[in-house]
Amino acid sequence: GESVGLHLPTLSVQEGDNSIINCAYSNSASDYFIWYKQESGKGPQFIIDIRSNMDKRQGQRVTVLLNKTVKHLSLQIAATQPGDSAVYFCAEKYKMKTSYDKVIFGPGTSLSVIP
Amino acid sequence: GAGVSQSPRYKVAKRGQDVALRCDPISGHVSLFWYQQALGQGPEFLTYFQNEAQLDKSGLPSDRFFAERPEGSVSTLKIQRTQQEDSAVYLCASSLYGGVMNTEAFFGQGTRLTVV
Repeated sequence: GESVGLHLPTLSVQEGDNSIINCAYSNSASDYFIWYKQESGKGPQFIIDIRSNMDKRQGQRVTVLLNKTVKHLSLQIAATQPGDSAVYFCAEKYKMKTSYDKVIFGPGTSLSVIP
Repeated sequence: GAGVSQSPRYKVAKRGQDVALRCDPISGHVSLFWYQQALGQGPEFLTYFQNEAQLDKSGLPSDRFFAERPEGSVSTLKIQRTQQEDSAVYLCASSLYGGVMNTEAFFGQGTRLTVV
């Protein structure tokens, strides 16, 4: 039968403002959480990660917050620029019995920066 | 090469045709992953290799899907008797180590498969 594509949640932000992208994860056994940026026609690109025993980690213009109590992850982008326009995915990483790390992606959010 | 390379970038297949998608990981990378990304959705895990060993193929949607990495470097994802629901972008990723949690995975640009 015909498949219907899902519409990604969209966040529109004025250039120079801060952006906050949220994500809920499902597996309480996940050890690492990662944010990826995916531009049109490209593969996901690593932005920042955070270990499960931390609640905050900062990078260049980006901050990731982890709330394990409610299984919530957020990505904050400071002074958003047009080049930040992309789809952002959170991902969780956990160790499998065969000792490799499985990465499972969450649903994405499309960030649109208004010049 | 400098990054993960996938070929072809685009593939149009008639329904029922077999296709083979190639992934050249970063040289020396132990781990290799395949993901399927449908339009407007996040990548879905298909299979994982550690060197030439396929440790996890739990995400392969049917027995029409087959992946191999015979020499522990280049990998091929083969889809037999393609169906319209196989239309998606197929992403390959590699990482230096297997089983090391903070090792970054690098993604290729993907192969967009359209089954008509």
